Amino acid sequence: GQQVMQIPQYQHVQEGEDFTTYCNSSTTLSNIQWYKQRPGGHPVFLIQLVKSGEVKKQKRLTFQFGEAKKNSSLHITATQTTDVGTYFCAVTARAGGTSYGKLTFGQGTILTVHP
Amino acid sequence: DTGVSQDPRHKITKRGQNVTFRCDPISEHNRLYWYRQTLGQGPEFLTYFQNEAQLEKSRLLSDRFSAERPKGSFSTLEIQRTEQGDSAMYLCASSLRGAGYNEQFFGPGTRLTVL
Repeated sequence: GQQVMQIPQYQHVQEGEDFTTYCNSSTTLSNIQWYKQRPGGHPVFLIQLVKSGEVKKQKRLTFQFGEAKKNSSLHITATQTTDVGTYFCAVTARAGGTSYGKLTFGQGTILTVHP
Repeated sequence: DTGVSQDPRHKITKRGQNVTFRCDPISEHNRLYWYRQTLGQGPEFLTYFQNEAQLEKSRLLSDRFSAERPKGSFSTLEIQRTEQGDSAMYLCASSLRGAGYNEQFFGPGTRLTVL
């Protein structure tokens, strides 16, 4: 099955600094999703990327999908204490034009923000 | 609250006992997923349903695990003869099947502790 490697495992930043997490696959991905899980919470969908080279922005968050569709990144500009949590990338398998349901998650990047 | 709900939120049991968890998805969602998450890891796929049909079950899932979605609405996950290694957060998610789009909405989870 598909696997994705996510780095770094941990990231500690001062409030106001930027943060980036990366997700890499050895195979071409049909799409990639990003989720955020607050401490003690459950994963919450952030975004889905489908097209090669796609870039999407949500306020201070910028998501990129690589040209070869084998990697993705999430960048947060000027972190705030509300950004604390674990950020996961997740991929689905696709066959014959049908998007399968199950998600395969990366290991996640735990972000702590010091005020 | 129209989100995904799970019951119970916490379950403590002794090794060898059977446990059953319930998930109520978002009402119009036809897909329902079960994941397991241990500390420091991303959610791991267990099984998923489209309506009442169980479409896929993880090969990692032992025969002690069974899931049902009898009327295509709520689902139950049963673990028989629990083992200490079953201790984890069990997450349910639901989604609406659409062409290539698979945002999943997660419930708060059931935390299982096997003594």
